[in-house]
Amino acid sequence: GDSVTQMEGPVTLSEEAFLTINCTYTATGYPSLFWYVQYPGEGLQLLLKATKADDKGSNKGFEATYRKETTSFHLEKGSVQVSDSAVYFCALRYTGANSKLTFGKGITLSVRP
Amino acid sequence: DAGVTQSPTHLIKTRGQQVTLRCSPKSGHDTVSWYQQALGQGPQFIFQYYEEEERQRGNFPDRFSGHQFPNYSSELNVNALLLGDSALYLCASSFEGSYEQYFGPGTRLTVT
Repeated sequence: GDSVTQMEGPVTLSEEAFLTINCTYTATGYPSLFWYVQYPGEGLQLLLKATKADDKGSNKGFEATYRKETTSFHLEKGSVQVSDSAVYFCALRYTGANSKLTFGKGITLSVRP
Repeated sequence: DAGVTQSPTHLIKTRGQQVTLRCSPKSGHDTVSWYQQALGQGPQFIFQYYEEEERQRGNFPDRFSGHQFPNYSSELNVNALLLGDSALYLCASSFEGSYEQYFGPGTRLTVT
């Protein structure tokens, strides 16, 4: 079946450091890929998405590129801020009737001032 | 726009009891999905409702059931609660055919 694997956490960075969070997937078809963020005490928010191979999703300085050849969707940000501290989830989803989201385990990011 | 709302926020139940969680979707959305998020884990898909019918179901036992009403709101029912049912239950709504699911803040269920 489909699955999403995220790098082990937690990750602690200093403000303005470069961020990479790895995500790889296994899929039987051609899903869309997503990064969701969960701030403390809140529900999940969509951070960015990519719907086909080689698409780049971007939002709030975060970027991720859909790499079909390596089945990856790594999240990057050039300069993190304290306000980026949260839990980040990689997920995949198909369109149509089979539209459930399949999530990775998530990774906690803490950014120090 | 109120977004996705869920009630109650927190709930404590005893093993063997039954619980009902509620969700109101974002305005204009017709599809509701439910997820279970255990501590330290990613959300796991329970089921999805569209046009008042269960359209898709994840790997959860029949103790988990749901309903969608004509106004698109939804309920999640769990019977014969187990300690392992303790989790954050998330509701997500979407519009049929769209990519994005909007999540509510969740209901924290503790089973003692």
